[in-house]
Amino acid sequence: SQQGEEDPQALSIQEGENATMNCSYKTSINNLQWYRQNSGRGLVHLILIRSNEREKHSGRLRVTLDTSKKSSSLLITASRAADTASYFCALGGSNYKLTFGKGTLLTVNP
Amino acid sequence: DVKVTQSSRYLVKRTGEKVFLECVQDMDHENMFWYRQDPGLGLRLIYFSYDVKMKEKGDIPEGYSVSREKKERFSLILESASTNQTSMYLCASSLGAGRNTIYFGEGSWLTVV
Repeated sequence: SQQGEEDPQALSIQEGENATMNCSYKTSINNLQWYRQNSGRGLVHLILIRSNEREKHSGRLRVTLDTSKKSSSLLITASRAADTASYFCALGGSNYKLTFGKGTLLTVNP
Repeated sequence: DVKVTQSSRYLVKRTGEKVFLECVQDMDHENMFWYRQDPGLGLRLIYFSYDVKMKEKGDIPEGYSVSREKKERFSLILESASTNQTSMYLCASSLGAGRNTIYFGEGSWLTVV
């Protein structure tokens, strides 16, 4: 099954800066989701964007989806030290499965 | 809030032991999943279940089996644990097909010695 590929693998920024992570994939999708994982914990859902949507916002998060380029980006604005975590994109199809990428490790330095 | 509870947070088992990882969700979700997570490999789907007593193999089912006798409970079974099954195991559930949000448990760290 296809897997999303996040880029970069790791990102280190200063508090207050914006963080952008990208996800690319190869086949068609029904939706794309972003999840966050604090070290050693389970994943937490952040946002879902459907294939017919181009942009969604949730608080300090902005997600874009370009189905022609088969890519998505997650922007976290005004980052905080508490945003330090791994971020995963997940590809949703018409079946039951959700396929996860390998993640981007974001470090926000105070 | 949806709650997915994994019974054991940390386990240490010996090679060859039979291991049970239990997971319970409280939101009447149809779908339940077991993933394992390893450094550099991300999350890989082991098995999923879309209904009671129904199951489908994921991407890495070898060495594992599952049981779903009740809607809220999904168990992962390692018939004969091996050291290469040392990993973080994540249980999850969702309401419907892949177009829905998945809710994860906190994970079970299994070490096989």
